[in-house]
Amino acid sequence: GAGVSQSPSNKVTEKGKDVELRCDPISGHTALYWYRQRLGQGLEFLIYFQGNSAPDKSGLPSDRFSAERTGESVSTLTIQRTQQEDSAVYLCASSFPSGTTDTQYFGPGTRLTVL
Amino acid sequence: GENVEQHPSTLSVQEGDSAVIKCTYSDSASNYFPWYKQELGKRPQLIIDIRSNVGEKKDQRIAVTLNKTAKHFSLHITETQPEDSAVYFCAAISGGGADGLTFGKGTHLIIQP
Repeated sequence: GAGVSQSPSNKVTEKGKDVELRCDPISGHTALYWYRQRLGQGLEFLIYFQGNSAPDKSGLPSDRFSAERTGESVSTLTIQRTQQEDSAVYLCASSFPSGTTDTQYFGPGTRLTVL
Repeated sequence: GENVEQHPSTLSVQEGDSAVIKCTYSDSASNYFPWYKQELGKRPQLIIDIRSNVGEKKDQRIAVTLNKTAKHFSLHITETQPEDSAVYFCAAISGGGADGLTFGKGTHLIIQP
Protein backbone atom coordinates (compact mmCIF):
# COMPACT_ATOMS: atom_id res chain seq x y z
CA GLY A 1 0.00 0.00 0.00
CA ALA A 2 0.92 3.66 -0.04
CA GLY A 3 3.65 4.79 2.30
CA VAL A 4 3.96 7.99 4.32
CA SER A 5 3.80 11.03 2.08
CA GLN A 6 4.85 14.61 2.77
CA SER A 7 4.38 17.89 0.98
CA PRO A 8 5.92 20.00 -0.25
CA SER A 9 9.13 18.11 -0.99
CA ASN A 10 11.06 21.38 -1.02
CA LYS A 11 10.22 24.77 0.43
CA VAL A 12 12.29 27.92 0.13
CA THR A 13 11.09 30.86 2.18
CA GLU A 14 12.28 34.19 3.40
CA LYS A 15 13.21 34.83 7.01
CA GLY A 16 10.18 35.93 8.99
CA LYS A 17 7.58 34.16 6.84
CA ASP A 18 5.33 31.35 8.11
CA VAL A 19 5.45 27.86 6.57
CA GLU A 20 3.16 24.86 6.81
CA LEU A 21 4.39 21.33 6.23
CA ARG A 22 2.04 18.43 5.63
CA CYS A 23 2.23 14.73 6.45
CA ASP A 24 -0.10 11.95 5.29
CA PRO A 25 0.54 8.82 7.36
CA ILE A 26 0.00 5.25 6.27
CA SER A 27 -3.72 4.47 6.41
CA GLY A 28 -4.66 2.95 9.75
CA HIS A 29 -1.55 4.14 11.55
CA THR A 30 -2.69 5.88 14.70
CA ALA A 31 0.71 7.13 15.86
CA LEU A 32 2.47 9.96 14.02
CA TYR A 33 5.86 11.54 14.71
CA TRP A 34 7.67 14.62 13.48
CA TYR A 35 11.46 14.81 13.38
CA ARG A 36 13.98 17.40 12.21
CA GLN A 37 17.26 16.52 10.49
CA ARG A 38 19.84 19.23 10.04
CA LEU A 39 22.45 18.77 7.32
CA GLY A 40 24.81 15.93 8.17
CA GLN A 41 23.14 15.31 11.52
CA GLY A 42 20.96 12.69 13.13
CA LEU A 43 17.22 13.00 13.56
CA GLU A 44 15.80 15.14 16.36
CA PHE A 45 12.38 14.22 17.76
CA LEU A 46 9.86 17.08 17.75
CA ILE A 47 6.39 15.80 18.60
CA TYR A 48 4.22 12.68 18.77
CA PHE A 49 0.50 12.25 18.09
CA GLN A 50 -1.63 9.33 19.22
CA GLY A 51 -4.78 9.90 17.20
CA ASN A 52 -5.23 13.66 17.22
CA SER A 53 -3.79 14.11 20.69
CA ALA A 54 -0.25 15.31 21.36
CA PRO A 55 0.40 14.57 25.05
CA ASP A 56 3.82 16.23 25.17
CA LYS A 57 4.88 19.23 23.14
CA SER A 58 8.13 19.88 24.99
CA GLY A 59 10.23 18.57 22.09
CA LEU A 60 9.21 21.46 19.86
CA PRO A 61 12.24 23.79 19.57
CA SER A 62 10.39 27.02 20.31
CA ASP A 63 6.93 28.55 20.58
CA ARG A 64 7.17 29.40 16.86
CA PHE A 65 6.58 25.71 16.16
CA SER A 66 3.14 24.13 16.39
CA ALA A 67 1.54 20.97 15.08
CA GLU A 68 -1.96 19.67 14.56
CA ARG A 69 -3.51 16.42 13.46
CA THR A 70 -6.98 15.80 12.10
CA GLY A 71 -8.35 12.58 13.54
CA GLU A 72 -5.98 9.76 12.63
CA SER A 73 -4.93 11.20 9.30
CA VAL A 74 -3.19 14.31 8.07
CA SER A 75 -0.85 16.30 10.29
CA THR A 76 0.54 19.77 9.72
CA LEU A 77 3.66 21.27 11.25
CA THR A 78 3.62 25.06 11.23
CA ILE A 79 6.65 27.24 11.75
CA GLN A 80 5.91 30.90 12.32
CA ARG A 81 8.37 33.75 11.70
CA THR A 82 10.94 31.37 10.25
CA GLN A 83 14.61 31.83 11.11
CA GLN A 84 17.68 30.63 9.24
CA GLU A 85 18.36 28.01 11.93
CA ASP A 86 15.03 26.40 11.01
CA SER A 87 16.59 25.24 7.72
CA ALA A 88 16.54 21.44 7.80
CA VAL A 89 14.73 18.41 6.46
CA TYR A 90 11.50 17.79 8.38
CA LEU A 91 10.58 14.12 8.45
CA CYS A 92 7.31 12.55 9.44
CA ALA A 93 6.87 8.93 10.51
CA SER A 94 3.86 6.81 11.37
CA SER A 95 3.32 3.54 13.18
CA PHE A 96 0.49 1.26 14.24
CA PRO A 97 0.83 0.72 17.99
CA SER A 98 -0.17 -2.76 19.03
CA GLY A 99 0.56 -2.58 22.73
CA THR A 100 4.32 -2.62 22.23
CA THR A 101 6.60 -0.10 20.59
CA ASP A 102 6.14 -0.40 16.87
CA THR A 103 8.14 0.20 13.74
CA GLN A 104 8.10 3.77 12.48
CA TYR A 105 7.92 4.26 8.73
CA PHE A 106 9.31 7.51 7.43
CA GLY A 107 8.09 9.84 4.74
CA PRO A 108 10.46 11.40 2.18
CA GLY A 109 10.74 14.62 4.15
CA THR A 110 10.32 18.30 3.37
CA ARG A 111 13.55 20.19 2.78
CA LEU A 112 13.06 23.68 4.23
CA THR A 113 15.47 26.45 3.30
CA VAL A 114 15.12 29.80 5.04
CA LEU A 115 16.97 32.59 3.25
CA GLY B 1 15.63 11.58 28.82
CA GLU B 2 17.32 9.03 26.59
CA ASN B 3 20.80 9.61 25.17
CA VAL B 4 22.21 7.45 22.36
CA GLU B 5 25.89 7.45 21.45
CA GLN B 6 27.02 5.91 18.15
CA HIS B 7 30.50 4.96 16.95
CA PRO B 8 32.33 5.27 14.67
CA SER B 9 31.16 8.36 12.79
CA THR B 10 32.84 7.09 9.62
CA LEU B 11 33.72 3.51 8.72
CA SER B 12 35.55 2.44 5.58
CA VAL B 13 35.82 -1.29 4.78
CA GLN B 14 36.87 -3.34 1.79
CA GLU B 15 34.11 -4.93 -0.22
CA GLY B 16 33.45 -8.40 1.15
CA ASP B 17 34.69 -7.58 4.65
CA SER B 18 32.45 -7.15 7.70
CA ALA B 19 31.35 -3.87 9.26
CA VAL B 20 30.36 -3.30 12.88
CA ILE B 21 28.66 -0.20 14.25
CA LYS B 22 28.14 0.22 17.99
CA CYS B 23 25.65 2.21 20.04
CA THR B 24 25.10 2.79 23.73
CA TYR B 25 21.97 4.11 25.41
CA SER B 26 21.30 5.61 28.81
CA ASP B 27 17.65 4.87 29.67
CA SER B 28 17.22 1.38 31.10
CA ALA B 29 13.49 1.64 30.28
CA SER B 30 14.24 1.65 26.53
CA ASN B 31 12.86 -1.51 25.00
CA TYR B 32 13.02 -1.16 21.23
CA PHE B 33 16.14 -0.58 19.15
CA PRO B 34 15.80 -0.06 15.39
CA TRP B 35 18.54 0.53 12.84
CA TYR B 36 17.88 2.76 9.84
CA LYS B 37 19.83 3.11 6.61
CA GLN B 38 19.72 6.49 4.89
CA GLU B 39 21.08 7.05 1.40
CA LEU B 40 21.90 10.58 0.32
CA GLY B 41 18.75 12.63 -0.10
CA LYS B 42 16.48 9.72 0.77
CA ARG B 43 14.27 8.86 3.70
CA PRO B 44 15.54 6.61 6.53
CA GLN B 45 14.68 2.97 5.83
CA LEU B 46 14.38 0.41 8.60
CA ILE B 47 16.82 -2.44 8.03
CA ILE B 48 16.55 -4.39 11.27
CA ASP B 49 15.26 -3.93 14.80
CA ILE B 50 15.47 -5.72 18.13
CA ARG B 51 13.34 -5.69 21.24
CA SER B 52 14.66 -5.87 24.78
CA ASN B 53 13.52 -9.44 25.35
CA VAL B 54 15.87 -10.71 22.62
CA GLY B 55 19.69 -10.83 22.62
CA GLU B 56 20.37 -11.27 18.92
CA LYS B 57 18.51 -11.09 15.64
CA LYS B 58 19.72 -11.92 12.14
CA ASP B 59 18.38 -11.20 8.66
CA GLN B 60 20.61 -12.53 5.88
CA ARG B 61 23.83 -10.45 5.95
CA ILE B 62 22.63 -8.16 8.74
CA ALA B 63 22.56 -8.93 12.45
CA VAL B 64 21.95 -6.93 15.60
CA THR B 65 23.03 -7.81 19.12
CA LEU B 66 21.72 -6.29 22.34
CA ASN B 67 23.35 -6.30 25.78
CA LYS B 68 20.78 -4.91 28.21
CA THR B 69 23.10 -5.07 31.20
CA ALA B 70 25.73 -2.95 29.51
CA LYS B 71 23.12 -0.91 27.63
CA HIS B 72 24.69 -1.32 24.25
CA PHE B 73 23.67 -2.73 20.90
CA SER B 74 25.55 -3.31 17.67
CA LEU B 75 24.89 -3.70 13.97
CA HIS B 76 26.90 -6.30 12.05
CA ILE B 77 26.99 -6.40 8.26
CA THR B 78 28.85 -9.33 6.69
CA GLU B 79 30.08 -9.74 3.10
CA THR B 80 29.68 -6.02 2.47
CA GLN B 81 28.67 -4.84 -0.99
CA PRO B 82 28.90 -1.42 -2.69
CA GLU B 83 25.16 -0.89 -2.20
CA ASP B 84 25.70 -1.05 1.56
CA SER B 85 27.37 2.38 1.37
CA ALA B 86 25.08 4.82 3.25
CA VAL B 87 24.62 6.49 6.62
CA TYR B 88 23.36 4.16 9.32
CA PHE B 89 21.49 5.39 12.38
CA CYS B 90 20.78 3.49 15.56
CA ALA B 91 17.87 4.55 17.76
CA ALA B 92 16.19 3.70 21.02
CA ILE B 93 12.70 4.22 22.40
CA SER B 94 10.92 3.30 25.61
CA GLY B 95 7.42 2.38 26.64
CA GLY B 96 4.59 3.15 24.23
CA GLY B 97 6.65 5.48 22.11
CA ALA B 98 5.35 8.83 23.30
CA ASP B 99 8.86 10.25 23.60
CA GLY B 100 9.76 9.38 20.03
CA LEU B 101 12.91 7.69 18.84
CA THR B 102 16.23 9.01 20.13
CA PHE B 103 18.78 8.65 17.35
CA GLY B 104 22.54 8.33 17.34
CA LYS B 105 24.44 10.81 15.20
CA GLY B 106 24.97 8.28 12.42
CA THR B 107 27.79 6.29 10.86
CA HIS B 108 28.86 6.96 7.30
CA LEU B 109 29.73 3.51 5.95
CA ILE B 110 31.96 3.50 2.89
CA ILE B 111 32.52 0.25 1.01
CA GLN B 112 35.79 0.34 -0.91
CA PRO B 113 35.75 -1.71 -4.16
